[in-house]
Amino acid sequence: GNSVTQMEGPVTLSEEAFLTINCTYTATGYPSLFWYVQYPGEGLQLLLKATKADDKGSNKGFEATYRKETTSFHLEKGSVQVSDSAVYFCALKRGGGNKLTFGTGTQLKVEL
Amino acid sequence: NAGVMQNPRHLVRRRGQEARLRCSPMKGHSHVYWYRQLPEEGLKFMVYLQKENIIDESGMPKERFSAEFPKEGPSILRIQQVVRGDSAAYFCASSPRNDAYTDTQYFGPGTRLTVL
Repeated sequence: GNSVTQMEGPVTLSEEAFLTINCTYTATGYPSLFWYVQYPGEGLQLLLKATKADDKGSNKGFEATYRKETTSFHLEKGSVQVSDSAVYFCALKRGGGNKLTFGTGTQLKVEL
Repeated sequence: NAGVMQNPRHLVRRRGQEARLRCSPMKGHSHVYWYRQLPEEGLKFMVYLQKENIIDESGMPKERFSAEFPKEGPSILRIQQVVRGDSAAYFCASSPRNDAYTDTQYFGPGTRLTVL
């Protein structure tokens, strides 16, 4: 079946540090891949997505590249801010399917 | 364009009572999805509905849980005879259609159910 594996948190960084949150997946076919962000007490917001191999999704300084050969979709940001503190979820949606399969989430804490 | 609306935001029920969670999709969206987030876990798919049709309920518990999306009005997730294990955040998402290459599921703020 489909599954998503994320690095465990919490990840604690100083402001302006480089961020990487690893995400790997197992899926049949050619899934679309997503990163969602959840701020405390709120719902999920789509951060970025990629729908085919080698696509790069980007938004608000975050980016992730769909790597089919390594079945990965790692999230990166060059310089994090305190306001980036949140839980980040990697997810996939199988082509032709109708449900998102989520990883367990990675909590990011950015300190001054 | 208003986002996905869910109400109530917080719901407290005693064991054995019924919980009714409501979701109004974004304007123009005809596909609704419900997910459950247990404490310290990721979201798990429950059910996918279109107007007046349940398309995929493979993630729904076999008993006590039901969902509908009537022709008029919001989608409803109903939990009968709640138990403490039902305590979770329930998220609704909507999309304009179900195309793998163009659709995105937009999430509401969630309903946090607490069963006493």
